[in-house]
Amino acid sequence: EAEVAQSPRYKITEKSQAVAFWCDPISGHATLYWYRQILGQGPELLVQFQDESVVDDSQLPKDRFSAERLKGVDSTLKIQPAELGDSAMYLCASSLGQGRGETQYFGPGTRLLVL
Amino acid sequence: EDKVVQSPLSLVVHEGDTVTLNCSYEVTNFRSLLWYKQEKKAPTFLFMLTSSGIEKKSGRLSSILDKKELFSILNITATQTGDSAIYLCAVGTAAGNKLTFGGGTRVLVKP
Repeated sequence: EAEVAQSPRYKITEKSQAVAFWCDPISGHATLYWYRQILGQGPELLVQFQDESVVDDSQLPKDRFSAERLKGVDSTLKIQPAELGDSAMYLCASSLGQGRGETQYFGPGTRLLVL
Repeated sequence: EDKVVQSPLSLVVHEGDTVTLNCSYEVTNFRSLLWYKQEKKAPTFLFMLTSSGIEKKSGRLSSILDKKELFSILNITATQTGDSAIYLCAVGTAAGNKLTFGGGTRVLVKP
């Protein structure tokens, strides 16, 4: 069964360092999402891509976060510099999109701890 | 601002009990409501509901949507310890299929 892949699974870093997370969506899925989930809360959308274009990044803290999906397939989310409050689970999800399927399937997530 | 509220926040039951989880929402341009199960990892998809009054069923889990009263319920019958998890409700809107999640309900099933 096709799955969303993410790496690394865990990341520990010191504040002010740069971190990057990678996501490979299910093959053929045009829409890709990055979410942040703080412990005890539901996931919150950071950025949404339709192919290589950003559809929604209204909740992305653009002073320190960036995301790209250059070839419309896999994607990278970067934080620079990391802050203590960035400690969370970062989830990637994908869907067929474009009216072909709206269900979002999640990857295993990257758990980030900023010290 | 779109809002999704789940209740209760948590509950503890014994194996064999039935649980009912609630999800209410206030969103613009409702498109779908989804239920996910989250154990110690990423959420896994359970159901997607788009029409009122039509029950979706998968084994011991079932869910229904009321678009007039703006809520959904998720039922789990004959609970097992493997049902212990956080259950997340999310509402998708027509604007790019963005999902807004509730805070989740933590279910603990004791033997």
